[in-house]
Amino acid sequence: GQQLNQSPQSMFIQEGEDVSMNCTSSSIFNTWLWYKQDPGEGPVLLIALYKAGELTSNGRLTAQFGITRKDSFLNISASIPSDVGIYFCAGKRETSGSRLTFGEGTQLTVNP
Amino acid sequence: GAVVSQHPSWVICKSGTSVKIECRSLDFQATTMFWYRQFPKQSLMLMATSNEGSKATYEQGVEKDKFLINHASLTLSTLTVTSAHPEDSSFYICSARQTNEKLFFGSGTQLSVL
Repeated sequence: GQQLNQSPQSMFIQEGEDVSMNCTSSSIFNTWLWYKQDPGEGPVLLIALYKAGELTSNGRLTAQFGITRKDSFLNISASIPSDVGIYFCAGKRETSGSRLTFGEGTQLTVNP
Repeated sequence: GAVVSQHPSWVICKSGTSVKIECRSLDFQATTMFWYRQFPKQSLMLMATSNEGSKATYEQGVEKDKFLINHASLTLSTLTVTSAHPEDSSFYICSARQTNEKLFFGSGTQLSVL
């Protein structure tokens, strides 16, 4: 079952606003990945994080690997309508081989 | 990013028939691929890990005789839903793992069983 707590579950914002979402766990992860999924499509990889404390940007997106290795956040700056979708965090534990654990997702709605 | 092709995008079938879904890594070799199932407004649920040249590893509660997985080459894994029933209707997604631990997903297959 899911062991990642992702919040918030949903967000309704105005175009131009910044967005922040995060994932936490009671377990230690050695890789964090953030994905975006559009309706009827597979998730698309946004950012991958491999080291505690790592801060990585991809355009208007910034994600960080928490120092404790139990959390990660994703920020979206100056949101635009095409940012609408479901964002998932995913983590890989050292003991889980290649298997990822997914968060429950954050549904983002951006009003023009 | 890497490209993973999944086919078909959608399929409608009669109850009792079998359906095969293909997952291909187009620009990299993947010794490991994964199959997920996703219900509306929910997260991805891992069904099985597909390993090239060996048997798939199924998650608890997933019937291996119901969901047959074959990973015959480094770029292709197939999922066959055997004797499909309406409760098997779902969105199925595959993913392939690169050597740097990045996981890339196919575009998904919407299965509807009548």
